[in-house]
Amino acid sequence: GESVGLHLPTLSVQEGDNSIINCAYSNSASDYFIWYKQESGKGPQFIIDIRSNMDKRQGQRVTVLLNKTVKHLSLQIAATQPGDSAVYFCAETEQGAGSYQLTFGKGTKLSVIP
Amino acid sequence: NAGVTQTPKFQVLKTGQSMTLQCAQDMNHEYMSWYRQDPGMGLRLIHYSVGAGITDQGEVPNGYNVSRSTTEDFPLRLLSAAPSQTSVYFCASSGASGYTFGSGTRLTVV
Repeated sequence: GESVGLHLPTLSVQEGDNSIINCAYSNSASDYFIWYKQESGKGPQFIIDIRSNMDKRQGQRVTVLLNKTVKHLSLQIAATQPGDSAVYFCAETEQGAGSYQLTFGKGTKLSVIP
Repeated sequence: NAGVTQTPKFQVLKTGQSMTLQCAQDMNHEYMSWYRQDPGMGLRLIHYSVGAGITDQGEVPNGYNVSRSTTEDFPLRLLSAAPSQTSVYFCASSGASGYTFGSGTRLTVV
């Protein structure tokens, strides 16, 4: 989920288990959402996106769920691998209003235990 | 394709010094932006540009200037660096293929 202060929330999972990372967004007008993965020393890397006219989208081993009623987004990673260890950010934008500005959540650190 | 290229990767400045962080993209994207990332926080938007000759402020613009003379380049200038500007800076561009981020510049102001 969202972090408070300087400490990122951390999710520790056993290798092979499923991971669920949550994100609460604030802007009810946001219509496009993206999950990013950031490994240490690198820039954010696109994982999956979803538009507000959908409530679920699946990729390879990842699924994003969107609940617009409560303004909640989640990222599910199936069969988590050590290479999934990273910080995960959600981001939102009002693409329908012509905006490309992304507003990021504070991130969740995923640690995979081998 | 190189994507989004940022230089330098690391920089140490003294308080009051000026410098320019470079960002170049080869995807012909109209939209480019600069973010800063501080420990335990997500990325915050500094400035953005929707095309050559057009720039605008983001969430945390104070202390930074930008210009966009070409589609490819979007430099970020610190005119008088302050310790509060110690951060990791990311440049991003966006087009039909989505958002692409550079690998970042780690700036320390002492």
